[in-house]
Amino acid sequence: GQNIDQPTEMTATEGAIVQINCTYQTSGFNGLFWYQQHAGEAPTFLSYNVLDGLEEKGRFSSFLSRSKGYSYLLLKELQMKDSASYLCAVNGKTNAGKSTFGDGTTLTVKP
Amino acid sequence: DGGITQSPKYLFRKEGQNVTLSCEQNLNHDAMYWYRQDPGQGLRLIYYSQIVNDFQKGDIAEGYSVSREKKESFPLTVTSAQKNPTAFYLCASSSGTAQDTQYFGPGTRLTVL
Repeated sequence: GQNIDQPTEMTATEGAIVQINCTYQTSGFNGLFWYQQHAGEAPTFLSYNVLDGLEEKGRFSSFLSRSKGYSYLLLKELQMKDSASYLCAVNGKTNAGKSTFGDGTTLTVKP
Repeated sequence: DGGITQSPKYLFRKEGQNVTLSCEQNLNHDAMYWYRQDPGQGLRLIYYSQIVNDFQKGDIAEGYSVSREKKESFPLTVTSAQKNPTAFYLCASSSGTAQDTQYFGPGTRLTVL
């Protein structure tokens, strides 16, 4: 089975940096995704990590350590529009393409 | 424009009635998925299909049924056997390989009165 843990809520200030952590325990591993979801809308893809290390994409970066079962999403220069839920999802080696999602971290950005 | 569509956006039904949610994609994706999301929670997998005419149960399949007669379409029926059907339902599709992201439809919010 797969188990994914993320903090439930985080608050940060506009212009600051925030790190959202995700830990996972899986029977296999074939990649970790981060999605952003605004209230009442569909999730949208942010990043994908399958090898250890940091992937940078503009203001967003994602890090993976497979040996520790750990990932984080780093958001820089926070903007009010970054207020959303951030979902960590893991693909196991079985059932290619089938992701298991964490419960998400609701980020509130304050002025 | 390529994409994935769900209809309707909002749906109200009386308790005891079956209801079918539509999901269509023109991305030529092999795999399609149905998720349920309750307030403050993540996505839970109901059913998924990796190829036409084949589908598998996810983690919470009880009270739901699906079909995959065409590559583009993956309708979900919420039956009267589903004890608590009020939720936000999301459909997604992907190429089916492990490294490919899933593309989500806009969702259907089902309320059972």
